[in-house]
Amino acid sequence: EAGVTQSPTHLIKTRGQQATLRCSPISGHTSVYWYQQALGLGLQFLLWYDEGEERNRGNFPPRFSGRQFPNYSSELNVNALELEDSALYLCASSLGDASPKGEQYFGPGTRLTVT
Amino acid sequence: GQSLEQPSEVTAVEGAIVQINCTYQTSGFYGLSWYQQHDGGAPTFLSYNALDGLEETGRFSSFLSRSDSYGYLLLQELQMKDSASYFCAVSRGSQGNLIFGKGTKLSVKP
Repeated sequence: EAGVTQSPTHLIKTRGQQATLRCSPISGHTSVYWYQQALGLGLQFLLWYDEGEERNRGNFPPRFSGRQFPNYSSELNVNALELEDSALYLCASSLGDASPKGEQYFGPGTRLTVT
Repeated sequence: GQSLEQPSEVTAVEGAIVQINCTYQTSGFYGLSWYQQHDGGAPTFLSYNALDGLEETGRFSSFLSRSDSYGYLLLQELQMKDSASYFCAVSRGSQGNLIFGKGTKLSVKP
């Protein structure tokens, strides 16, 4: 069974540009979560999508947005990039309501570098 | 607000036992999870405790005390491949997302 996949692996952008990151969940998983992992700061929750709807968002500005498609894949958009947006962006998936609350499966991440 | 505290670094020798503690402060606590992340890799799920007590999975065990807002991950018979960062994470009520601690970097020495 294929795991969570993310693309691209690396992304280099200039301050002020927009970045789009993509995620495909494990087959059968309906929930997708996005986390930001900056150096030394652990994982910070960004967004949670389930069944195509945004269910919750973390303490990030509105320029961080996303969506979930009918096939449950998801994309994260970051507008007006700032230097401090440089981080590893991790996508995770779970079975949604059917899943034990604490069990999520992570993709390998997209390393975003803003120069 | 929500917060989780865990040691930043732990060092142990191969074959030993190590315990990584996690204390949390959060509203609507539902359960405590543990994740392992090797350098350059993705976090992988290790265990989840929703009820008080010890859960054992092979060499790894996880404990939760809801009354003390405390949990720990116990790693036995340490191997070099266990060198990684370990994160505790809290799940809350109907919120699907996890709140992660800053991680504990475990170094296993020969």
